Amino acid sequence: DAKTTQPPSMDCAEGRAANLPCNHSTISGNEYVYWYRQIHSQGPQYIIHGLKNNETNEMASLIITEDRKSSTLILPHATLRDTAVYYCIVRVARTSGSRLTFGEGTQLTVNP
Amino acid sequence: DVKVTQSSRYLVKRTGEKVFLECVQDMDHENMFWYRQDPGLGLRLIYFSYDVKMKEKGDIPEGYSVSREKKERFSLILESASTNQTSMYLCASSLELGNTIYFGEGSWLTVV
Repeated sequence: DAKTTQPPSMDCAEGRAANLPCNHSTISGNEYVYWYRQIHSQGPQYIIHGLKNNETNEMASLIITEDRKSSTLILPHATLRDTAVYYCIVRVARTSGSRLTFGEGTQLTVNP
Repeated sequence: DVKVTQSSRYLVKRTGEKVFLECVQDMDHENMFWYRQDPGLGLRLIYFSYDVKMKEKGDIPEGYSVSREKKERFSLILESASTNQTSMYLCASSLELGNTIYFGEGSWLTVV
């Protein structure tokens, strides 16, 4: 699976959009971009994933650049409960899902 | 929503004890996983199961065994707990291998 690079930390004001970047310059054509988050002492929570088109669900939006070498997770109206470590992962779907590799992630702090 | 439930959030066990960690998922998923998460080491796969009574070793199976007698339940067993097995243990499931993996809340095990 391709390696990802994320900033170690970010801050965001409550109610504002949080934009979390991820670089995955070595991504292959059949690799998806997944985002998870982990609130302290809890299990990782799935947020969203995509291949090349932008995706949106009730939690967030995922914007993938045309060359697929980077992506941005957008939390449109951040709340204090969105404070967590956010992980960007690229992996091939339709193969073994066993080796899900989490990097260091981005610690997002939402401030009142 | 997918629900992966781990029976115990916090456990304290003595060295040499046999420890059972239970996990149940309610989405009829084929695949279930056990990971451990340690600071600086990320998530490491212990075992996974792709069907009832089927199991495969992950990256760090030593000192662990698993049991999957029913589709919805996947148990992790520490035959003789040791202090280096103090960790957060995460159960996860997915519909098919390579699909989105959903995690439980985690079980914090301390071996003294």
